[in-house]
Amino acid sequence: QSALTQPRSVSGSPGQSVTISCTGTSNDVGAYNYVSWYQQHPGKAPKFMIYDVTKRPSGVPDRFSGSKSGNTASLTISGLQVEDEADYFCCSYTGNDTVMFGGGTKLTVL
Amino acid sequence: QVRLVESGGGVVQPGRSLRLSCAASGFTFSDYGIHWVRQAPGKGLEWVAIISSDGNHKYSADSVKGRFTFSRDNSKNTLYLQLNSLRAEDTAVYYCAKSLAGWYLGNWGQGTLVTVSS
Repeated sequence: QSALTQPRSVSGSPGQSVTISCTGTSNDVGAYNYVSWYQQHPGKAPKFMIYDVTKRPSGVPDRFSGSKSGNTASLTISGLQVEDEADYFCCSYTGNDTVMFGGGTKLTVL
Repeated sequence: QVRLVESGGGVVQPGRSLRLSCAASGFTFSDYGIHWVRQAPGKGLEWVAIISSDGNHKYSADSVKGRFTFSRDNSKNTLYLQLNSLRAEDTAVYYCAKSLAGWYLGNWGQGTLVTVSS
């Protein structure tokens, strides 16, 4: 199984919006609404940001939102802040009681 | 608050074994499945496995099947990952994470580094 496909990097200025895509197949992202997103700052453990494609755990700012169309899920961060600079990973249930991560996207806030 | 602490990492020669532990606190450990995830240096996250709350159900990635085994001791609030027949490509930080709704990784530990090298 190959990882879900994410752009290697995206960038934006403070206050702007950016969207990170996560492309899978009809067997994973396209088949299930079990898509989640994780934020990871350098040297730190990942943090749970989005689940069930669109939902935010308690404490995650509403600047972070998720969506899905077909085999592609997306994470949008609006009103970019300097502290949003991090790596972002998508994750999808793939059936057969397994999950798979995307390759990760480095967000740079210019 | 929820806390997960991994331990047991270190430098090990190819072909040898290592056992990692994940000690949990701040929640009812026996109510939750726990995931293992690894991250090679400078690389992305790779899901390794999940073990159910009672330890009776275990699912893992193809890349570790037959080499890694998973267990838990709910009386000690501790999870174990036995790494066997280690290869250079197993070099990574290994994280444990509390499962939410089955397939989400809600709270993560800080990770423990395993380096496979001769």
